[in-house]
Amino acid sequence: SYVVTQAPSVSMAPGETARITCGGDNIGRHNVHWYQQKPGQAPVLVVYDDSDRPSGIPERFSGSNSENTATLTITRVEVGDEADYYCQVWDNSVDHVVFGGGTKLTVL
Amino acid sequence: QVRLVQSGPEVKRPGSSVTVSCKVSGDTLTNSVVSWVRQARGQGLEWMGASIPVIETKYYAQKFQTRVTFTADESTSTVFMALSSLRSDDTAVYFCAMAEADSSGYYRGQGLQIWGQGTMVSVPS
Repeated sequence: SYVVTQAPSVSMAPGETARITCGGDNIGRHNVHWYQQKPGQAPVLVVYDDSDRPSGIPERFSGSNSENTATLTITRVEVGDEADYYCQVWDNSVDHVVFGGGTKLTVL
Repeated sequence: QVRLVQSGPEVKRPGSSVTVSCKVSGDTLTNSVVSWVRQARGQGLEWMGASIPVIETKYYAQKFQTRVTFTADESTSTVFMALSSLRSDDTAVYFCAMAEADSSGYYRGQGLQIWGQGTMVSVPS
C-alpha cells in the first residue's frame, strides 16, 4: 500500500517561513490535503487538493506538490501556528485514505 | 453552519462492542461522505473507513474490515460507527469527519472539511 512520510518535527522562530514536507512515490500524481491539529482539538483542514485553501484559512498557508514531495508552506509563522500537521492522500489501489505520521511545528 | 456532533465518552470491557454516533446539524447527508478517524494518545491519525449513506457505499481500511460497521439514519442525519471485539489498543479518540462526494457521487479521498469533536473510547485491560 501507499506510504507517505513526514519529518517528526520542525522548529521555527516567529516571522520565519515554515516548510513541512510529505514524501511519497510520485506523490505529485495524488491530490494532497493538509490538516492542522492543536492539542486537545479535532484536526482542521488548512489546504486541500495540493494548494487550495478552505474559507477562513489565512493566506499565509499554502501548498504545492510535485514529483515525490508535497509541501505545506506557512509564511510569517506565529506562535498560534504551533500544532501537529498531517498530510493525507488517497491510495486508489485499495481505496484507502493514507495519513502521514504528522509533523510537530514548534514556534520558539 | 454545518457541524458534526458526536456521542459521549465510553468505557468498554475487552471483547465487547462500542457504537459511536455522529449527528450532522445544519445540513443533510445528501452528497456527503463521512469518514471515521481515530487517534490514540500521543499518536497520529488513523483512518478506519468511510461511508456514503445515501447510496449505501462503504470503504474500509483493511485493518478494521472485519470489526467495523457503518450505518446511518437519514431521517435524523446521523451516522454510526460500531467497532467489535474491542481490545486495549482500541483505546483512542474517535472522530467522524465529512467530505463532499465527487462529481460521480463517490469518495476518492477528498479533503475532510468538517470534523466532529471526538469521542473517547477507553478499553481498560
